[in-house]
Amino acid sequence: ETGVTQSPTHLIKTRGQQVTLRCSSQSGHNTVSWYQQALGQGPQFIFQYYREEENGRGNFPPRFSGLQFPNYSSELNVNALELDDSALYLCASSVEDLLLSTQYFGPGTRLTVL
Amino acid sequence: AQSVSQHNHHVILSEAASLELGCNYSYGGTVNLFWYVQYPGQHLQLLLKYFSGDPLVKGIKGFEAEFIKSKFSFNLRKPSVQWSDTAEYFCAVNPSTSGTYKYIFGTGTRLKVLA
Repeated sequence: ETGVTQSPTHLIKTRGQQVTLRCSSQSGHNTVSWYQQALGQGPQFIFQYYREEENGRGNFPPRFSGLQFPNYSSELNVNALELDDSALYLCASSVEDLLLSTQYFGPGTRLTVL
Repeated sequence: AQSVSQHNHHVILSEAASLELGCNYSYGGTVNLFWYVQYPGQHLQLLLKYFSGDPLVKGIKGFEAEFIKSKFSFNLRKPSVQWSDTAEYFCAVNPSTSGTYKYIFGTGTRLKVLA
């Protein structure tokens, strides 16, 4: 166990809807990264938050947005859901330190878009 | 574009066989390197990591990996696999000068160990 928790574990939505996924960081970690893992693929970087600000973004459209709260927990919001958004969404927490950057992953939220 | 290649998508071994999983990356600068494992029904777990120093790193459960800078490779090895090593293995690279701590993952290698 890494101490990173995510909710919910599973979610079913229909195309066009909006979804919010939540992540609680490991104690002492100030950075949260979100990844999308499609079936049969490796995780792909969506974005990262550090001290409540976005600190880097992958190749995802603006309908993917996020928040980080003062307690370092985080949300991933996806608007106008598309079928291709069906995937496992992973949250990873870390301490922002260039030399010791190791990300610890939560169990993920499985999103199915119908 | 930065990328990570894992050439073996599926590997089947018998118990006690030796394992080597390949990982190559495309990035010319300094990198941090990781191997993660995902057991069936479980979340991604860190197996080992390389930041600097000795290019041969040892991880948990008897795994080790060797960083060969000239080959842009970070192959994972285990001398004798067990049935419990059945899992999916992901290589990840963090370009340490990227300004963020994003990880670039390979597509993974599914390992099945036959008892």
